[in-house]
Amino acid sequence: AQKVTQAQTEISVVEKEDVTLDCVYETRDTTYYLFWYKQPPSGELVFLIRRNSFDEQNEISGRYSWNFQKSTSSFNFTITASQVVDSAVYFCALRGGGNMLTFGGGTRLMVKP
Amino acid sequence: DSGVTQTPKHLITATGQRVTLRCSPRSGDLSVYWYQQSLDQGLQFLIQYYNGEERAKGNILERFSAQQFPDLHSELNLSSLELGDSALYFCASSVRELSTGANVLTFGAGSRLTVL
Repeated sequence: AQKVTQAQTEISVVEKEDVTLDCVYETRDTTYYLFWYKQPPSGELVFLIRRNSFDEQNEISGRYSWNFQKSTSSFNFTITASQVVDSAVYFCALRGGGNMLTFGGGTRLMVKP
Repeated sequence: DSGVTQTPKHLITATGQRVTLRCSPRSGDLSVYWYQQSLDQGLQFLIQYYNGEERAKGNILERFSAQQFPDLHSELNLSSLELGDSALYFCASSVRELSTGANVLTFGAGSRLTVL
């Protein structure tokens, strides 16, 4: 069985602060894929990143960065210099050998001006 | 615009009724997935179709059914609706079978169902 845990249900920061969203996963598959999606207040789910289990390189995209650590089964997401437009619910997700994408419970990020 | 089209965007209906949600995948995508997002259950996988055939089933109730048509659009039918079926229903598509690698799922904007 697969499981994704996002322990932080809600985070509130002030604009320009850095914030890290935690994601811990469980799977018995040796090959798997991890994702982050963003759900802004408008409701749609927006893909942010995909990471393969055999590629532990961290990735940076502008103010976003992702830290994948197989040893701790974590795939954390950091937003640097947060902005009000970053306010959204962020979902971490996992796909193993099957076709099903398992989502975590989501972390609601509120960035205050 | 993700390229995945879902209709209707909003739907309000009464308990016991039946509704149909429609999804058109991105051009060229053969797989369609349905997810339900409710406050208490989070994002739950319901069902997947690939090129017209059912490929995977998740936590889909017996009162719910889906199909994918030859033109690849899909419909999710919800019957004998209950208050607890109120949720945001997402459709997603991906380009090919996921047996060899995980393609990215592209989600539609969702259909918000309210059962009164």
